[in-house]
Amino acid sequence: EDQVTQSPEALRLQEGESSSLNCSYTVSGLRGLFWYRQDPGKGPEFLFTLYSAGEEKEKERLKATLTKKESFLHITAPKPEDSATYLCAVQAYMDTGRRALTFGSGTRLQVQP
Amino acid sequence: DAGVIQSPRHEVTEMGQEVTLRCKPISGHDYLFWYRQTMMRGLELLIYFNNNVPIDDSGMPEDRFSAKMPNASFSTLKIQPSEPRDSAVYFCASSSRWGVEAKNIQYFGAGTRLSVL
Repeated sequence: EDQVTQSPEALRLQEGESSSLNCSYTVSGLRGLFWYRQDPGKGPEFLFTLYSAGEEKEKERLKATLTKKESFLHITAPKPEDSATYLCAVQAYMDTGRRALTFGSGTRLQVQP
Repeated sequence: DAGVIQSPRHEVTEMGQEVTLRCKPISGHDYLFWYRQTMMRGLELLIYFNNNVPIDDSGMPEDRFSAKMPNASFSTLKIQPSEPRDSAVYFCASSSRWGVEAKNIQYFGAGTRLSVL
């Protein structure tokens, strides 16, 4: 069974204080790892997809990296508008092309001015 | 495109009543997903469709839950009879087999918050 564990559950940062969120996963064969951002009262919003160990993606103050067992979402010099819950999800590789995603429980990030 | 549209945004009902949640996917998308989000269990996939055909319903919790997709632009998730433990936020998402979205990038609606009293 695919499993995704995110840590920490919650993180409070000061504006400009860089940090990293962790996503550990267990999957039979990784087809893709996804990062989403979710604001209160809204649906998850896609950020990144990573496919193989060593891959990195960047978007503004966010950078996602991937190893064979985990992914990190690095936040550089965060701003209050980066406050949200960040969700990690994995898609297992199956010949049938199954598109189901398994989500972690998320990291709730609060950036204080 | 207006994105994935869900209705209603909020639903309050009494135990035993039938509840129907609705979803309109992004035009041109051929995959549609129903998820449920709770504090205890996080975001869970209930069922997904490809070209209006259910592909994987292993996440549907019980026979009380059913989902249909009569055409490419509309899907429903029905709970009958509803129970208090069904209280959650239900999300619909869609994706496409083509272009960038062929990588299974799923676009989510704003969700329906269901409260069963």
